Amino acid sequence: QKEVEQDPGPLSVPEGAIVSLNCTYSNSAFQYFMWYRQYSRKGPELLMYTYSSGNKEDGRFTAQVDKSSKYISLFIRDSQPSDSATYLCATGEDTGRRALTFGSGTRLQVQP
Amino acid sequence: EAGVVQSPRYKIIEKKQPVAFWCNPISGHNTLYWYLQNLGQGPELLIRYENEEAVDDSQLPKDRFSAERLKGVDSTLKIQPAELGDSAVYLCASSLGEQYFGPGTRLTVT
Repeated sequence: QKEVEQDPGPLSVPEGAIVSLNCTYSNSAFQYFMWYRQYSRKGPELLMYTYSSGNKEDGRFTAQVDKSSKYISLFIRDSQPSDSATYLCATGEDTGRRALTFGSGTRLQVQP
Repeated sequence: EAGVVQSPRYKIIEKKQPVAFWCNPISGHNTLYWYLQNLGQGPELLIRYENEEAVDDSQLPKDRFSAERLKGVDSTLKIQPAELGDSAVYLCASSLGEQYFGPGTRLTVT
């Protein structure tokens, strides 16, 4: 079993929909949680990071962490075709300077 | 501010040939990582440097892979000899806290 499991894609939604992307993790030592967006043939781009349980909001994006259930979510409001990409969740044991453990990614397609 | 720079972006080689990838991290980032990303998977760590010291290379296949970070800035990852299974994207990242990735080098071994 992988340390970080991510919902398989592809996920197809109409423009304007609310998107929910999810991961679960198994290692209680993970304290640091990140979401990356990766466009085709590009490197992962950091979207959001958080150290604690609860919600963190940045524009149309909200990251949610529930350490008690080891569950990580990313919500995208008012989704746009430009949001079409692969979304990777990642976790780490401290500030993130150690290696991150990534999920396998969920491919999102927002239909205009 | 410039991001992480990698070259080449694409490389096609025949098996058993050597190949090298270069990475220039974000200025001031003393932690540098090389990750491997297979198709449909998330990145997996190969090696992590703190300045010029390799502090985590447990996942680096040392029989064919080597890396160096001279002067604690740029880094080079080498494969010799390459195998068909090495076809993947090789990502470099750097960090002061959060990790920022370069565009990657897509390697195809034929």
